[in-house]
Amino acid sequence: AQTVTQSQPEMSVQEAETVTLSCTYDTSESNYYLFWYKQPPSRQMILVIRQEAYKQQNATENRFSVNFQKAAKSFSLKISDSQLGDTAMYFCAFIGQGAQKLVFGQGTRLTINP
Amino acid sequence: DGGITQSPKYLFRKEGQNVTLSCEQNLNHDAMYWYRQDPGQGLRLIYYSQIVNDFQKGDIAEGYSVSREKKESFPLTVTSAQKNPTAFYLCASGGSGYPGGKNIQYFGAGTRLSVL
Repeated sequence: AQTVTQSQPEMSVQEAETVTLSCTYDTSESNYYLFWYKQPPSRQMILVIRQEAYKQQNATENRFSVNFQKAAKSFSLKISDSQLGDTAMYFCAFIGQGAQKLVFGQGTRLTINP
Repeated sequence: DGGITQSPKYLFRKEGQNVTLSCEQNLNHDAMYWYRQDPGQGLRLIYYSQIVNDFQKGDIAEGYSVSREKKESFPLTVTSAQKNPTAFYLCASGGSGYPGGKNIQYFGAGTRLSVL
């Protein structure tokens, strides 16, 4: 069974700093997708970024980028120039090729301090 | 606006009562999902449906029931058999319009269910 582990329950940084959130996963599949979702205090889950396992290039979305290490089964999220609005729970998630079930990590609570 | 609408935002259940959470989407997505979120935990899948009139159990289906009579709608009933229903419930839908397949799920704003 696939598992997703986020080893940092909470993190806190100052505004404008760069922060990296860690995620590791376990799977025997060769093709899959990885996601980072953001859940702000409003509780709405928002897709931040996604990575397809067969693509070697790391995905980027504005200030958000990932470091995807397939052999190490690691998928970290880097937030550059952090903003107060980045304060949220961040969830790493995995889904196998053709599957319908997302597997979520337990989340990292990120606080951006002014 | 396109999106996923969950209602109500807050819901209270009395002992022995069944309650139904609504989820409607106008994204023309084939697949719909229900997740449960407890404090300090990630999301756990309750039920999902890939097509009208068909659905599958997720990891924690006991005490819950669903129906999928229309593509746009996927209501979740929390039955009296669910002994610990207090949680935040999130509905999601996923489509095949994104290059690369059906694997992006978009979420509604959630329903918080509490027991009186």
